[in-house]
Amino acid sequence: DTGVSQDPRHKITKRGQNVTFRCDPISEHNRLYWYRQTLGQGPEFLTYFQNEAQLEKSRLLSDRFSAERPKGSFSTLEIQRTEQGDSAMYLCASSLAGTGFNYGYTFGSGTRLTVV
Amino acid sequence: AQSVTQLDSQVPVFEEAPVELRCNYSSSVSVYLFWYVQYPNQGLQLLLKYLSGSTLVESINGFEAEFNKSQTSFHLRKPSVHISDTAEYFCAVRTPSGAGSYQLTFGKGTKLSVIP
Repeated sequence: DTGVSQDPRHKITKRGQNVTFRCDPISEHNRLYWYRQTLGQGPEFLTYFQNEAQLEKSRLLSDRFSAERPKGSFSTLEIQRTEQGDSAMYLCASSLAGTGFNYGYTFGSGTRLTVV
Repeated sequence: AQSVTQLDSQVPVFEEAPVELRCNYSSSVSVYLFWYVQYPNQGLQLLLKYLSGSTLVESINGFEAEFNKSQTSFHLRKPSVHISDTAEYFCAVRTPSGAGSYQLTFGKGTKLSVIP
């Protein structure tokens, strides 16, 4: 297993365009998380899935954002009508229920979004 | 709700010198505490964690952190740093149970620069 994979690594888009990011967690991990990291800040929680169910969404996740995990495996995060304030690193992490406390999350390398 | 304060945004230190990266948290309940490290253009890697038991925890690469409940601190220390320790370090907290117990709350990070 190669860990948590995120695609693309970098995305530059024009304001107003839609973008979609993909996260492939560690295969046996049933929990998946999205975080956003802006310049000079620590990661901030966006949303959380257990299997295919989205169990929690942060207030940071405006209605322009939508996340899915249709089969409980990979996840996508879509941002509609991007704004310059959406420019950030989007991090995905996964864990196995019951072990997260012991092993922490495993993070991917992130997708860096630049909105111009 | 919990919060994390990392008191220093940047810490320069000479190679082989000791270093301490400070972390304070606030929470009305007990917490789990973590240190993550982020190398340039990479995701976050778990460095060490405090869940329970001994208040002094160690990582495999010479870092240690001590949980101090009365001071609400979880400072990270290393007695002798190497060039390869240059990275950004994030302190994070998580509640063991209840609402939001799957979320990590991060500090803003401390950039450690090791000077040859």
